[in-house]
Amino acid sequence: QVQLVQSGAEVYKPGASMKVSCQASGYNLIDYSISWVRQAPGQGLEWMGWINAFNVKTNYAGNFQGRVTMTTDTSTNTAYMELRSLRSDDTAVYYCARDRGVYGVSGYYYLDLWDKGTTVTVSS
Amino acid sequence: EVVLTQSPGTLSLSPGESATLSCRASQSVYNDYLAWYQQKPGQAPRLLIYGTSYRATGIPDRFSGSGSGTDFTLTISRLEPEDFAIYFCQHYGNSQYTFGQGTKMEI
Repeated sequence: QVQLVQSGAEVYKPGASMKVSCQASGYNLIDYSISWVRQAPGQGLEWMGWINAFNVKTNYAGNFQGRVTMTTDTSTNTAYMELRSLRSDDTAVYYCARDRGVYGVSGYYYLDLWDKGTTVTVSS
Repeated sequence: EVVLTQSPGTLSLSPGESATLSCRASQSVYNDYLAWYQQKPGQAPRLLIYGTSYRATGIPDRFSGSGSGTDFTLTISRLEPEDFAIYFCQHYGNSQYTFGQGTKMEI
């Protein structure tokens, strides 16, 4: 079954770092990029960046530059997103999604496979 | 950066009716880079439409997308109870994705 499976919910203190994993199954991670998107409670979707496991290229949204690092481990077919210097407004559900556009072949840009998300709470 | 503005913010309709959701871009965008998602409470977004008008796998033909330039539309005909959700449009440009703020469709 083609799916993404993310790590479970976590609680962090302000100033700490978080790391969410996203394991792909049913397909090879190197075949498509992964985008990370977050959603604060009651809010819309905020794109954080993408990573391509084949060429190890990344691109981060300006809001997260310097605070986020996206990596992959092709041996376990897993993508990771680390966010540092956490603040209370980083409290959100974090999603990884298969990105069919970045380094894709179709010319269309969209996110077609999502996991249910990882709830991250930042609180003292 | 392209800003996507969705309207209306909330749409109140009944099952069986049709819905027209708008997504306006702050500048002209490529049709190939415009997509729509549906999100229900407690769930991840689900891809509905990509490339402005192509339905994703498994999406019923009640859902259709259209538009060009700066104005894009998601139309849902013959609303079913499970269609009441939040809908987001998405664009890709300058190597980044942006999303509209969403339209909530309620009964």
